[in-house]
Amino acid sequence: GAGVSQSPSNKVTEKGKDVELRCDPISGHTALYWYRQSLGQGLEFLIYFQGNSAPDKSGLPSDRFSAERTGGSVSTLTIQRTQQEDSAVYLCASSLVSGGGPQHFGDGTRLSIL
Amino acid sequence: KNEVEQSPQNLTAQEGEFITINCSYSVGISALHWLQQHPGGGIVSLFMLSSGKKKHGRLIATINIQEKHSSLHITASHPRDSAVYICAVQGGNKLVFGAGTILRVKS
Repeated sequence: GAGVSQSPSNKVTEKGKDVELRCDPISGHTALYWYRQSLGQGLEFLIYFQGNSAPDKSGLPSDRFSAERTGGSVSTLTIQRTQQEDSAVYLCASSLVSGGGPQHFGDGTRLSIL
Repeated sequence: KNEVEQSPQNLTAQEGEFITINCSYSVGISALHWLQQHPGGGIVSLFMLSSGKKKHGRLIATINIQEKHSSLHITASHPRDSAVYICAVQGGNKLVFGAGTILRVKS
């Protein structure tokens, strides 16, 4: 597709379960970003990829959160042992090069932890 | 104090009015982004600027690097402009976001 694709669009799971969120960036975009939008808290940075490496993981809230990117393309964000405070919209964005050019956002995955 | 402050938090306007949303930041930046988010919708990048002024249709964005301030203007506002407008500053590779301005344009 032409834009950033995220799946699933919605995910409801029980507390304590692991979840995987997927992001398929725009073809050719080398930089990929994960953000979180919690109710009443606005957007916050989680992690940034340049190619397959993650030079900046400073926004990951705890060691339950991890992310990887393979083939310089698809990325997965994994949350282990989910907690209710993990409920949020998880957004992925990509840009042609790191630090340059606008970021193109996916529609997000709405994660609800019961 | 947040690194990025937006004002106003909420704004209601009549169709046709000129609208200004302000963004002040306290850190050094390489660029500033204005984003639009419709209710239940995704985020769209409106502008990325590092100096001066940019215009796209009825939207104008300006930035004053010395004063660490940016404004987003909407001319001849329309109900379809109703959305959340988010200012984000870029230092290095990541964005730091303002809390957003909720704009409602009434017909």
